[in-house]
Amino acid sequence: DTEVTQTPKHLVMGMTNKKSLKCEQHMGHRAMYWYKQKAKKPPELMFVYSYEKLSINESVPSRFSPECPNSSLLNLHLHALQPEDSALYLCASSQDRTGGSADTQYFGPGTRLTVL
Amino acid sequence: ELKVEQNPLFLSMQEGKNYTIYCNYSTTSDRLYWYRQDPGKSLESLFVLLSNGAVKQEGRLMASLDTKARLSTLHITAAVHDLSATYFCAVDILGFGNEKLTFGTGTRLTIIP
Repeated sequence: DTEVTQTPKHLVMGMTNKKSLKCEQHMGHRAMYWYKQKAKKPPELMFVYSYEKLSINESVPSRFSPECPNSSLLNLHLHALQPEDSALYLCASSQDRTGGSADTQYFGPGTRLTVL
Repeated sequence: ELKVEQNPLFLSMQEGKNYTIYCNYSTTSDRLYWYRQDPGKSLESLFVLLSNGAVKQEGRLMASLDTKARLSTLHITAAVHDLSATYFCAVDILGFGNEKLTFGTGTRLTIIP
């Protein structure tokens, strides 16, 4: 099973709202990722968690707050977003970062976020 | 700063024809990935290339890697409509394991009957 699930599929929020995106995987992967993808552009890395610890933050604004409650779950808390934050938010997971085999990242279906 | 460039950005080809998508990257890397994305959908992993000279094939798609030239190719043989999608290559910066992928610009492929 190479499934990464994300909820919700679609989210519309105002600039003053607080919402959360959820990602889950049960493949035993130890690295989890958040990406942002604007229309017709490649995905851009936002955050990386490795063994439930934040290992990379690509200078993402503080209105995006990641959380990794356990090795299977990854959340992205959203607060005071701007319209330009509207995008497809993708979660991915991969095997142990030190694994010698191909550590392919498996992507979830994404959450399409619209900020009004 | 790592740059990953693909060409062409757009490709329209007839069914049955062959073509190649190119992926160039600007710094040393030992891992290169190819992904497919259908409109409005997520990314599907196609190939992982781990060493110089690596070649992988799946159906009508074949990917290769030349680490010395910092070049990967995705070759399409006898294209069919189902292959219409956007194809991304992604490079794993050496030393970061699989944590930091940088994606190419993407190639939007349209197969015309």
